[in-house]
Amino acid sequence: AQKVTQAQTEISVVEKEDVTLDCVYETRDTTYYLFWYKQPPSGELVFLIRRNSFDEQNEISGRYSWNFQKSTSSFNFTITASQVVDSAVYFCALSDADYKLSFGAGTTVTVRA
Amino acid sequence: ETGVTQTPRHLVMGMTNKKSLKCEQHLGHNAMYWYKQSAKKPLELMFVYSLEERVENNSVPSRFSPECPNSSHLFLHLHTLQPEDSALYLCASSQDLRGGTYEQYFGPGTRLTVT
Repeated sequence: AQKVTQAQTEISVVEKEDVTLDCVYETRDTTYYLFWYKQPPSGELVFLIRRNSFDEQNEISGRYSWNFQKSTSSFNFTITASQVVDSAVYFCALSDADYKLSFGAGTTVTVRA
Repeated sequence: ETGVTQTPRHLVMGMTNKKSLKCEQHLGHNAMYWYKQSAKKPLELMFVYSLEERVENNSVPSRFSPECPNSSHLFLHLHTLQPEDSALYLCASSQDLRGGTYEQYFGPGTRLTVT
């Protein structure tokens, strides 16, 4: 069975601080895919990144970076120099080769000005 | 319009009403999904369609009835709902069902309140 754990329920930071969101996953598949989505107050889940299990390279996109470590089954997400617009709920998700996404419970990030 | 759109954005209905939620994707995708997001619960996959054929019905009560007339449109027909059905209903689409290969794109959701 697949499972995604986001242990941090809420994180509150002051603008310009860095914030790291933890994601730990469980799967028996050797081929799997990991995702991060952002859900702002408007409700829409916004796709941020997809990673497959064979690609452990870290990725940076602007102020966002992701650290994928198969050894610890983790796919953590860091926002550098956070801004108020980063305030949202962030979801980590896992799928194998089919369409079923297993979502974590989400981490609410609040960035205060 | 771009991406995935959903109407209405907010809906309040009584338990005896019949209403429908509409989803439209402008991405040329072949697969569409309905999810339910309740407070303090993970997103729940409800229905999946691929090329207008239903491929998943995830033990959803019959008071929810999906319809996919073409690959761009998806409806969720509601009748005789219960207060616990109040939630955010999200529609999503993807290129096809190879979920790992293609990410799902979500609409803004319909916030449903059943009174």
